[in-house]
Amino acid sequence: DAGVTQSPTHLIKTRGQHVTLRCSPISGHKSVSWYQQVLGQGPQFIFQYYEKEERGRGNFPDRFSARQFPNYSSELNVNALLLGDSALYLCASSPTPGQGQEAFFGQGTRLTVV
Amino acid sequence: AQSVTQLDSQVPVFEEAPVELRCNYSSSVSVYLFWYVQYPNQGLQLLLKYLSGSTLVKGINGFEAEFNKSQTSFHLRKPSVHISDTAEYFCAVTPPRPNTGGFKTIFGAGTRLFVKA
Repeated sequence: DAGVTQSPTHLIKTRGQHVTLRCSPISGHKSVSWYQQVLGQGPQFIFQYYEKEERGRGNFPDRFSARQFPNYSSELNVNALLLGDSALYLCASSPTPGQGQEAFFGQGTRLTVV
Repeated sequence: AQSVTQLDSQVPVFEEAPVELRCNYSSSVSVYLFWYVQYPNQGLQLLLKYLSGSTLVKGINGFEAEFNKSQTSFHLRKPSVHISDTAEYFCAVTPPRPNTGGFKTIFGAGTRLFVKA
């Protein structure tokens, strides 16, 4: 079975631009979470979606938004990119958003803002 | 606010030696605890988790961790490491859901394990 897939794997954008990152969860998983991992740090929680509804939001500015589609895939959008948005963006899926659920991570999208 | 502290940023160790990666968390309520491993250019993979029950949890690849509620610690151990264990290790907690809904997993900054021949 395919794991969590993310696209693109690498991306270079200019300050002020907009970016869309995509994630396909493991088949049967209905919950998707997004994380930002800056070099040398642990992942920081951005969003959690379940059944197409936002269930959790981390401490990120409104420039960050996301949505989940009927097939449970998800997009993360970032507007007005800043140099500090350069990071590895990780998507994780789980069957449900339960507290004890294991998160299955994709390989991430490496975003570089220049 | 919940937080996770991984006490060592880097741990060098020789092959076949034992290793302990330390993790402390701050919480006055019950949390679920996890250890994830990240190999270069890859996503995170679950090593083990503690939800309840026995405080000694066994995971994949010979790793185990012990939950200590009084010390709010969840240290990861392996009795004999291999070169292939070289990776970044992350401790994480999932606190109870707030009224606004949704669970937020909080990760530590990571510990880089270097296994030397």
